[in-house]
Amino acid sequence: GENVEQHPSTLSVQEGDSAVIKCTYSDSASNYFPWYKQELGKRPQLIIDIRSNVGEKKDQRIAVTLNKTAKHFSLHITETQPEDSAVYFCAAGYNYGQNFVFGPGTRLSVLP
Amino acid sequence: DGGITQSPKYLFRKEGQNVTLSCEQNLNHDAMYWYRQDPGQGLRLIYYSQIVNDFQKGDIAEGYSVSREKKESFPLTVTSAQKNPTAFYLCASSFDRQETQYFGPGTRLLVL
Repeated sequence: GENVEQHPSTLSVQEGDSAVIKCTYSDSASNYFPWYKQELGKRPQLIIDIRSNVGEKKDQRIAVTLNKTAKHFSLHITETQPEDSAVYFCAAGYNYGQNFVFGPGTRLSVLP
Repeated sequence: DGGITQSPKYLFRKEGQNVTLSCEQNLNHDAMYWYRQDPGQGLRLIYYSQIVNDFQKGDIAEGYSVSREKKESFPLTVTSAQKNPTAFYLCASSFDRQETQYFGPGTRLLVL
């Protein structure tokens, strides 16, 4: 089955700097790669996703890049703000159920 | 994701007791999921259901049971066989064969 690794586990950046979180996956059949943001005690919220027929996707300050050959994808946040502080989860898979696996999460702290 | 509700927000379980967590959605989603989240960790799949009256075990189904009698509802029972139930439980839903999952607000289960 799919296995997803995520690095780093914690990340601290100064406000205004960029943050990059990287995930690797094992199953070459995976074709959907979402990123979720979870604030303390709250539900994970989808912030951006990418499918395997696309190499990069942007939404304002957030971008995701995908390298299917190397089986890794990354979240890029530019001009970070204190409200970006949260835990970010990547996921990889196809269809649903057990074919879809979440990474362990990255705790991002944006320091003012 | 505002169309997915979970109750209660907090739940206390006594030794040997079965407790049931509620999950309801009005998004007309076909698939529903239950995840367990432990402090500082990712999301682990307990059970999922693609359609009414059908559900499948996830990675950590032991000590849990579910039912799917209605499309809108997917309750999770934490049985006395689950020896370490303290965790944050998240319900999610998605359209059939579409991977994007939307999460409920979660139920925090504590053992007395």
